[in-house]
Amino acid sequence: GAVVSQHPSRVICKSGTSVKIECRSLDFQATTMFWYRQFPKKSLMLMATSNEGSKATYEQGVEKDKFLINHASLTLSTLTVTSAHPEDSSFYICSARVGIANTGELFFGEGSRLTVL
Amino acid sequence: QKEVEQNSGPLSVPEGAIASLNCTYSDRVSQSFFWYRQYSGKSPELIMSIYSNGDKEDGRFTAQLNKASQYVSLLIRDSQPSDSATYLCAVQAAGNKLTFGGGTRVLVKP
Repeated sequence: GAVVSQHPSRVICKSGTSVKIECRSLDFQATTMFWYRQFPKKSLMLMATSNEGSKATYEQGVEKDKFLINHASLTLSTLTVTSAHPEDSSFYICSARVGIANTGELFFGEGSRLTVL
Repeated sequence: QKEVEQNSGPLSVPEGAIASLNCTYSDRVSQSFFWYRQYSGKSPELIMSIYSNGDKEDGRFTAQLNKASQYVSLLIRDSQPSDSATYLCAVQAAGNKLTFGGGTRVLVKP
């Protein structure tokens, strides 16, 4: 399957700081990437859809000023958690779909576990 | 009402047996259906995709889709301890978005 790489895999930060997570498609171009978060023993919740060269589309209830998404190239999307607080601690996972069609398989990055102290 | 529903489990099966996982969805116009496996602390890994009614087999895995009943299932034959994980059903309806079920935890006992 297609390879999606995410970095960092783990990050611990102090409350009030900002954290940037990178998501790269390694062997294909992704015009669209998706950012999910997952709390322990819960399923994946879509946060936003990242579109190359345009603004991200956020799901209802997700603060766009809190979770900044930038998709500057066809292989890189970044999620910045601004002024992080303990309640932002979670497992953040990016994903991408091969090709430009809206159908097809979604491949996930390794995930980034954020712990805010 | 949840859009994609799964029994949370745990589903306990003896090694070598068949594990049967079920998933129902609410959006009748859903077109694409996926099963992902997620080990604890890891991200989901795609196991199967299915787009049309009927069965689709890949190795020890068989996905079954019945759009009329809005039902998709996954069978794991000859279950191995390494199959112990959470299995996520995902459904794509309108647009790009993939909606996930809550996952079914499977425990394969040696």
